[in-house]
Amino acid sequence: EVQLVESGGGLVQPGGSLRLSCAASGFTFSSYWMHWVRQAPGKGLVWVSRIESDGTSTNYADSVRGRFTISRDNAKNTLFLQMNSLRVEDTAVYYCARNHNWNGLDYWGQGTLVTVSS
Amino acid sequence: DIQMTQSPSSLSASVGDRVTITCRASQSISIYLNWYQQKPGKAPKLLIYAVSSLQSGVPSRFSGSGSGTDFTLTISSLQPEDFATYYCQQSYITPYTFGQGTKLEIK
Repeated sequence: EVQLVESGGGLVQPGGSLRLSCAASGFTFSSYWMHWVRQAPGKGLVWVSRIESDGTSTNYADSVRGRFTISRDNAKNTLFLQMNSLRVEDTAVYYCARNHNWNGLDYWGQGTLVTVSS
Repeated sequence: DIQMTQSPSSLSASVGDRVTITCRASQSISIYLNWYQQKPGKAPKLLIYAVSSLQSGVPSRFSGSGSGTDFTLTISSLQPEDFATYYCQQSYITPYTFGQGTKLEIK
């Protein structure tokens, strides 16, 4: 069974940092591109970042480029999102998701809440 | 960035109704169009990818169509479990933008 489990969320002050993790199981993690998607409270889905299967290529939304870094450890089946210089508007549930055919996202984690507030 | 515009933003319907949600892209996205269902407090669920391919395990009452910039999601006969929010997403070029969502409510 495919499982994605996020962790690392919490309350942080503006300007602070957090590192999210997404533990993958039930599939060959190293064969799949992976994504982060976020959802602010009561709002819609926003794509954040993508990393190719071997970690050599990454892409970011303009709103997080230069502040967030996506990475992965294929030996430990884990995806990461390092978030620096956090802003109030980064407050959201952050989901990791697996890339499927035609770049649809076929499996999602349960999400981890990041709250940026003073 | 490619803008995705869904309509309507909300919709009231009854069990057994046929429902159509539309999604328009600001430029051609070939067939890189996906649909998701999200229920409150839950992660999104992939329903349809590549415009019309049904994700494994998704009931056949869900279907998708369209090409280029205009796409539709159709639910042929609404079931109680279908009341949720639906999002389209283009996966043609990053950033993989989502539509703003369509909230489907019980009439």
